[in-house]
Amino acid sequence: LAKTTQPISMDSYEGQEVNITCSHNNIATNDYITWYQQFPSQGPRFIIQGYKTKVTNEVASLFIPADRKSSTLSLPRVSLSDTAVYYCLVGDSNTGFQKLVFGTGTRLLVSP
Amino acid sequence: EPEVTQTPSHQVTQMGQEVILRCVPISNHLYFYWYRQILGQKVEFLVSFYNNEISEKSEIFDDQFSVERPDGSNFTLKIRSTKLEDSAMYFCASEGGDEQFFGPGTRLTVL
Repeated sequence: LAKTTQPISMDSYEGQEVNITCSHNNIATNDYITWYQQFPSQGPRFIIQGYKTKVTNEVASLFIPADRKSSTLSLPRVSLSDTAVYYCLVGDSNTGFQKLVFGTGTRLLVSP
Repeated sequence: EPEVTQTPSHQVTQMGQEVILRCVPISNHLYFYWYRQILGQKVEFLVSFYNNEISEKSEIFDDQFSVERPDGSNFTLKIRSTKLEDSAMYFCASEGGDEQFFGPGTRLTVL
């Protein structure tokens, strides 16, 4: 499994766009990039997954450059409720049924 | 929206006692997992389960741990003789082939 590196923490204010970058230099051809969100005392929750270029859903966008050695999770117009830990995971998710290997994540604090 | 449920939400036990943590996965999912998270640390994989047998387990999942799917709905994690270091949040997850859905967790406190 490819090792991921992301900032330990980030601060933002309500209404701002937040971009969290994850580096995964050893990503394999079959690997997908997946982001999870975890609130205190809750289980992680799937946010978005992508393979290349850009993926967008109702909560976030995921930008993946051509070399796929990094990815950026973009949260538009964050609110206080987006305060959480965000995890970048890399693995062969296309086949499903694979354990998730979590790093330490990025702790996002959104202030008023 | 379907969800994974876990009981109890909090379990307090004495060291050396057996505990059973229960999970009800999403009904049409086939793959099940247990993870744990010690306070302030990262989420760690314990075990995966498919077709009524363990598919993979981590080094943490030693002989004190066991999993079972006793009926068509429940998925349990048993710790035979709890240790102080077993104190953690235990998360169950289920998967239908794409994303994993996590339950709310059981906070296990071993005294």
